[in-house]
Amino acid sequence: QQPVQSPQAVILREGEDAVINCSSSKALYSVHWYRQKHGEAPVFLMILLKGGEQKGHEKISASFNEKKQQSSLYLTASQLSYSGTYFCGTEYPAGNKLTFGGGTRVLVKP
Amino acid sequence: GAVVSQHPSWVICKSGTSVKIECRSLDFQATTMFWYRQFPKQSLMLMATSNEGSKATYEQGVEKDKFLINHASLTLSTLTVTSAHPEDSSFYICSAGDVGRAGEQYFGPGTRLTVT
Repeated sequence: QQPVQSPQAVILREGEDAVINCSSSKALYSVHWYRQKHGEAPVFLMILLKGGEQKGHEKISASFNEKKQQSSLYLTASQLSYSGTYFCGTEYPAGNKLTFGGGTRVLVKP
Repeated sequence: GAVVSQHPSWVICKSGTSVKIECRSLDFQATTMFWYRQFPKQSLMLMATSNEGSKATYEQGVEKDKFLINHASLTLSTLTVTSAHPEDSSFYICSAGDVGRAGEQYFGPGTRLTVT
């Protein structure tokens, strides 16, 4: 079942922060975050394994709450280059494939 | 870093013809590759899991006779769209994981297919 991402879209000014959430109805093994620019392939940002890990990629960090079966991606002091569509991909204990959420479109304005 | 290539990057074909898309892992070996389809402004939908040396595993609702997958080596998987129709027009993306780094998936640049 597809994880649910929220919000669907967000508009930011350069330097502002944003949080993107990814929720699953089933227990998760890992959560992967990707960013996709228009017309391009998704680019890997980070992977979080169960255990409540929090990881970071430049000023983009993420957390994984195993109990709540959700992950959050934090865009801190956003830059113009952060614009794009962010997808979470969830991996369940029984399988080795990713199921992607519907995506969150982020637009960072000057 | 791990690099995955796809060829062609775009293709236009006539209805009823077949199109082959190649996915290669350039600097690592991949026992498993994944094929996704993405319609405009929508999410990535997994079509099938391609396994080197064995049959592909298709997701529910994906016609295996229409979307033929061959994973001939540890660096190459191909997707053939047979008897293409306009509704097959989409962005097809493959991904592969480095066998030495479980979990991370690297995406190819995608192939935009337009069926006229």
